[in-house]
Amino acid sequence: EIVLTQSPGTLSLSPGERATLSCRASQSVGSDFLAWYQQKPGQAPRLLIHGASSRATGIPDRFSGSGSGTDFTLTISRLEPEDFAVYYCQQYSTSPSPMYSFGQGTKLEIK
Amino acid sequence: EGKLVDFGGGLVQPGRSLRLSCEASGFNFDDYAMHWVRQAPGKGLEWVAGINWSNGRTAYVDSVEGRFTISRDNAKNSLLLEMNSLRAEDTAVYYCVKECRGVCLYAFDVWGQGTLVTVTS
Repeated sequence: EIVLTQSPGTLSLSPGERATLSCRASQSVGSDFLAWYQQKPGQAPRLLIHGASSRATGIPDRFSGSGSGTDFTLTISRLEPEDFAVYYCQQYSTSPSPMYSFGQGTKLEIK
Repeated sequence: EGKLVDFGGGLVQPGRSLRLSCEASGFNFDDYAMHWVRQAPGKGLEWVAGINWSNGRTAYVDSVEGRFTISRDNAKNSLLLEMNSLRAEDTAVYYCVKECRGVCLYAFDVWGQGTLVTVTS
């Protein structure tokens, strides 16, 4: 079973700053199989990035994803007030059986 | 893109059963794998179960294997989750989720609003 560990747990930044969120996997994850989500209080999560680096439909280009193997990063180039939320990475693996899992989340809060 | 409406949550005693349902619209339901993802109060997301679009093959997280059953009725555009032998640790908001196809395969692009299941005596 692949375990995803996100860091930091909480990130305190100001609007206009750059945010860098990390997702580390316990085993190698195929780049096609890594996604990022944003969740605001009281709302369902929203898909931001799929295939490690491809933005989902309607996602602003200030959001970007990168990485491969066991280390993945979500970058928000210039924070807007609406970007303060919790972010999750998610992976899919086939061994030993089809399995999806999420990281524990990074809370991005206003400094 | 589509819409999902999930319902059926409520208060249930440990050891009892509950069935969650999800109604899909705005996309060709039988072309997509579907899943349930849950979120315990104040906690992160946990994938619970999934069902393939083509052959109905299912998969579960270990903690619910043998207790929960995911199924789909393509004629009614609906997804079900039968939950048996419920435990306190099953308390969560349960989301019905659509999996992408094509370049975004294995990502979840449409989410229901969530339905709360509370297991307590």
